[in-house]
Amino acid sequence: DIVMTQTPLSLSVTPGQPASISCKSTQSLLASDGKTYLFWYLQKPGQSPQVLIYDTSNRFSGVPDRFSGSGSGTDFTLKISRVEAEDVGIYYCMQHTHLPVTFGQGTRLEIK
Amino acid sequence: EVQLVESGGGLVEPGGSLRLSCAASGFTFTDAWMTWVRRAPGKGLEWVGRIKSKTYGETTDFAAPVKGRFSISRDDSKNTLYLQMNSLKIEDTAVYYCTTIRSSWGQGTLVTVSS
Repeated sequence: DIVMTQTPLSLSVTPGQPASISCKSTQSLLASDGKTYLFWYLQKPGQSPQVLIYDTSNRFSGVPDRFSGSGSGTDFTLKISRVEAEDVGIYYCMQHTHLPVTFGQGTRLEIK
Repeated sequence: EVQLVESGGGLVEPGGSLRLSCAASGFTFTDAWMTWVRRAPGKGLEWVGRIKSKTYGETTDFAAPVKGRFSISRDDSKNTLYLQMNSLKIEDTAVYYCTTIRSSWGQGTLVTVSS
């Protein structure tokens, strides 16, 4: 199974400051069709997960442009250019290039 | 508006069975590959399994911890996804979500396995 390792596991950020989460996989996530099926989700307290980024770097509809995803192969990053109070929650990376689909452990973001 | 609404969760004893449902609306369910994901108390998200669309043979795939105990089916005439859970274990206790993975998630339904 592909292991997804997120760092850090927790973040405390002042509003307006940037934040970055790393996600590393144990195998390349490049699929035979040329796409890299790496997703980022945010689960806010008391809510279901919501898609932020799909296929490594595509922002989902309605997601603010302060969120961006990048990376390739085995190394991926989610960046928040200016953290806002509404960004609190747990961030997960997920790959579905290979079965079984696997998630990172989650990164908890809190506001200072 | 895309909606996924899970139901069927509850308290069940170890070794028991439960069937979860997920009612879908607002998108072409027939074409969608559907997935179940769970989150156990204090833990992260865990993929449970998925079912492909009829075009792809409604093939199913499962995570190792549930393989042989869980099954996934769909009724495209009712826009409904199912998760049949048999031989339940205490470690299956979790909130279960249905999702298209690429976009929408349901609100989840809690399954508690306890004696």
